[in-house]
Amino acid sequence: GENVEQHPSTLSVQEGDSAVIKCTYSDSASNYFPWYKQELGKRPQLIIDIRSNVGEKKDQRIAVTLNKTAKHFSLHITETQPEDSAVYFCAALYTGNQFYFGTGTSLTVIP
Amino acid sequence: NAGVMQNPRHLVRRRGQEARLRCSPMKGHSHVYWYRQLPEEGLKFMVYLQKENIIDESGMPKERFSAEFPKEGPSILRIQQVVRGDSAAYFCASSTARVSSYNEQFFGPGTRLTVL
Repeated sequence: GENVEQHPSTLSVQEGDSAVIKCTYSDSASNYFPWYKQELGKRPQLIIDIRSNVGEKKDQRIAVTLNKTAKHFSLHITETQPEDSAVYFCAALYTGNQFYFGTGTSLTVIP
Repeated sequence: NAGVMQNPRHLVRRRGQEARLRCSPMKGHSHVYWYRQLPEEGLKFMVYLQKENIIDESGMPKERFSAEFPKEGPSILRIQQVVRGDSAAYFCASSTARVSSYNEQFFGPGTRLTVL
């Protein structure tokens, strides 16, 4: 099966700074990597995703990079704002049925 | 178009009781996934169902847990004889087809189960 590791588990940044969250996966068969944002007590929501045939994808202040050789992908948030504070989860789609999720990163943006 | 609905939002059970969690997918979605989230952990896949069929239950504990998605009505995750370790948030997600990079899954608000 797949194994997804996510680091760091907690991250504090000053407003306006950048935040980077990294995930590694174990199975080269995984081909789709979404990132979810979960605010306290709320449902996970997809914020950005990347397919295995793409190395980088950007959407305004959010970007994701994928290194298939090294089996790792990262979330980059630039110009962070207090409303970016949440728990972020990476995931890898394995066998087409199952998402394997990382353990989450609690991001705090300090005003 | 209402999103994925789950009820109840909070459920308290005593050890040994049964818990029934309901998930109504988005309109037009016939694929449902159930996940469990333990405190301060990520989501763990439990089961994938399509209308009237269990497609993949490899993440489901072998005993006490069952799931169904009948032709009519919501998907049900049933936990019999609950134990304290079952306390968690249970999320369902739905999609129009099997999830892929082209078919997003949409999550419900979750049911927070507390076993006393």
